[in-house]
Order: sequence, then C-alpha cells, then structure tokens
Amino acid sequence: EIVLTQSPGTLSLSPGERATLSCRASQSVSSSYLAWYQQKPGQAPRLLIYGASNRATGIPDRFSGSGSGTDFTLTISRLEPEDCAVYYCQHYGSSLFTFGQGTKLEIK
Amino acid sequence: EVQLVESGGGLVQPGGSLRLSCAASGFTFSSYWMSWVRQAPGKGLEWVANMKQDGSEKYYVDSVKGRFTISRDNAKNPLYLQMNSLRAEDTAVYYCARERGSRSLDVWGQGTTVTVSS
Repeated sequence: EIVLTQSPGTLSLSPGERATLSCRASQSVSSSYLAWYQQKPGQAPRLLIYGASNRATGIPDRFSGSGSGTDFTLTISRLEPEDCAVYYCQHYGSSLFTFGQGTKLEIK
Repeated sequence: EVQLVESGGGLVQPGGSLRLSCAASGFTFSSYWMSWVRQAPGKGLEWVANMKQDGSEKYYVDSVKGRFTISRDNAKNPLYLQMNSLRAEDTAVYYCARERGSRSLDVWGQGTTVTVSS
C-alpha cells in the first residue's frame, strides 16, 4: 500500500510570496495518477492539478504541479488571501485512491 | 451546470444502517466512474469506494469491506452507499465525486454528515 506524506504540515506565508508544497510517495508511482486538491473550511475539495502537472478547468496559472517517481510538488506563485486552505495530494493505484494527510496554508 | 447533491446522512446508533444517495445532473452520469470519499471531523480525506460506469467493478477501502455497498441507477442518475454495521469511526462528512480519466476527482458534492453515536 502506497503512503503519501505531505510536508510541511503548516505553511505560513504573506500575500505575493511563493508557496511550495511537497508530496512524497512511499514507492515510485505513476505521475499520470497524481492529483492535488484545495479544500477551504466548510467546503468540498476542489481539483487543482491532475496527472501531476495539468491544471483542472478554471484553475489560475498561479497553480502549477511538477514531479515524478516519489517526489511531487505543488507550487503557488504570487499568493493571494483566498489561497488560504488545506491542500491534499492524491494517488490512484491498484484500484485504490490514497490521499496525503494535507498541508495547511495560512496567509499572514 | 454539472452538480452532485448528497442526501441521507443523519444520526445513527452503533450497529445501525444508513443509505446515502447522490443525485447527479448536468452530465452523462452513465459515462463516469463514481466515488465516495469521507472526512472525519477535523481530519483529512479518505476514499471509501468507487464503481465503474456499468456497475461491473466495485472497489472498497479495507475498513468498510463487508459493511458498505456502493451501487448506482444509471436510468435515474443516483449513486448510493448502503452502510451497515456502522461504527463510531464511520462518523464523517461523506462526499460523492466524479472520476475523470486520470483517476482524479473533478466534481464533488457538498457532502452529507453521518454521525454514529449512542
């Protein structure tokens, strides 16, 4: 069973700064099946990135994904106050979905 | 508008049963794999189950195997989750979600809350 470990647990940055969120898999995974989600308090998750680097419909180009093998990154350039949320990575493999534990992004 | 709306949540005693429903609209429901994902209070996301378009394949997380059953009615568009032998640790917000080809979840409902408590 693949385990996804996200770091850091909490990230506190100022508007306009760049956020780098990490997702590490316990073994090499297919980047085709690596996704990122944003969840704001009281809301359902929203798909940001699929296939490790493809932005979902309507997602601003400030959000970008990269990585392969065991190490994946979500980058948010030029942070805005509304980016305050918890971000989850997710992998699909062996007929199962696995989520990371999440990174909480705080905007100062 | 593409939309998923869950219903059926509530308070149930340990050992009890509940059936959740998810009404789909704005897209061809029968063309997509569908999933259920849950989130315990203050915790992260946990995938629960999914089902192929024609119902021929179903998969479950280990913790619900033998207790939960996913089903769908492609003629009427709902997705279901029958939950039996409920435990306190099943307490969560349950979301239904549409799967896209990359096995990501691109449309989510607003969630329905299940509380298992005596």
